[in-house]
Amino acid sequence: AQSVSQHNHHVILSEAASLELGCNYSYGGTVNLFWYVQYPGQHLQLLLKYFSGDPLVKGIKGFEAEFIKSKFSFNLRKPSVQWSDTAEYFCAVNARGTTDSWGKLQFGAGTQVVVTP
Amino acid sequence: NAGVTQTPKFRVLKTGQSMTLLCAQDMNHEYMYWYRQDPGMGLRLIHYSVGEGTTAKGEVPDGYNVSRLKKQNFLLGLESAAPSQTSVYFCASSYLLAGGFPYNEQFFGPGTRLTVL
Repeated sequence: AQSVSQHNHHVILSEAASLELGCNYSYGGTVNLFWYVQYPGQHLQLLLKYFSGDPLVKGIKGFEAEFIKSKFSFNLRKPSVQWSDTAEYFCAVNARGTTDSWGKLQFGAGTQVVVTP
Repeated sequence: NAGVTQTPKFRVLKTGQSMTLLCAQDMNHEYMYWYRQDPGMGLRLIHYSVGEGTTAKGEVPDGYNVSRLKKQNFLLGLESAAPSQTSVYFCASSYLLAGGFPYNEQFFGPGTRLTVL
């Protein structure tokens, strides 16, 4: 079965610092990749997604992620965070081409990010 | 559009009681999902549906039942609640691209916080 690993469970950083969150997955075939964000008390919202093409994808609110196929990774980055980026971030993977995973996402455990003023 | 809505928002049950969580979407999406979110474990899929009248088990289906009698609604039932089912429950939906391939971006509801005493 596929799995998704997020390396950091908690990250604390100051405003204007750079952020990078790691995500690795175990599936060896073609994948769709996602980063979702959950602000305090709110539901999950899509930050960005990768289906194919340019492995560097840009999302909302200045976030970007890079898909490195050889490393099975899809790391999320933001050059300069703001206090409003305090949230929990989830990486999610869909394994394309397998009927068992048709339309289903496997989520990582999440990374809680706290940005201090 | 309201998107994905869930009722109720909060509920407290005693062990052994039953309840039903309602998810509704007004986006005409084919796929619907129920997840539970627990600290440090991300989102885990309970059950999902690929269309009206069809349901399937996810990663953690035990103790839950679902029904999809109408395309826009997906119900999650707990027949005999247990403290281990204390969690936040999220519903999500997604739609098919032309040609039937599921577009795997999922749209989430606001969640239901359930406590079982």
